Amino acid sequence: KNEVEQSPQNLTAQEGEFITINCSYSVGISALHWLQQHPGGGIVSLFMLSSGKKKHGRLIATINIQEKHSSLHITASHPRDSAVYICAVRSDGSGAGSYQLTFGKGTKLSVIP
Amino acid sequence: NAGVTQTPKFQVLKTGQSMTLQCAQDMNHEYMSWYRQDPGMGLRLIHYSVGAGITDQGEVPNGYNVSRSTTEDFPLRLLSAAPSQTSVYFCASSYTQQGTGTPLHFGNGTRLTVT
Repeated sequence: KNEVEQSPQNLTAQEGEFITINCSYSVGISALHWLQQHPGGGIVSLFMLSSGKKKHGRLIATINIQEKHSSLHITASHPRDSAVYICAVRSDGSGAGSYQLTFGKGTKLSVIP
Repeated sequence: NAGVTQTPKFQVLKTGQSMTLQCAQDMNHEYMSWYRQDPGMGLRLIHYSVGAGITDQGEVPNGYNVSRSTTEDFPLRLLSAAPSQTSVYFCASSYTQQGTGTPLHFGNGTRLTVT
């Protein structure tokens, strides 16, 4: 079973700061997901990546397959970025079980005006 | 296009009662899944399905049943509710693309309290 560790658990930032959230996993994967859970509880998918880097607006996700590590960066943070950010990995393999994801416990981000 | 629709939003049950959490998606996704989210823990998979008529157990299946009679619907049944099943439940769906897969689409969650 893949172990997924996120750091930090909690993060408080001033508006405008550059933010980094980290995710490490223990065994080989076919894909890594970054999710955002709003204070109201809804979960949305931000990125799905298997190599390199993806960018969407002020959000950037990177992955280093050799080091089994991914980072989520937020540039020019804003109070509306306050949420829980969740990393999830899909393990290598085939068959129905390979669609399963293993989730980290999440990083709670608070951005103060 | 409604995405993933999950009902009810809130539910309170007494120990021993049964109920069904509904989940429907209109994106023609093959893969559907149920998760529970508890404080201090990551989302944990309860049951999943890769198509109509096909279901399998996830990490924490005890006390729950599922069925998949259509592509659109994937209800989760609590057979005899226990306080340990107090949690927030999420339904999610995606295509079953081999290799990297595709992004998950989540319902808005059901907050269940068992007294």
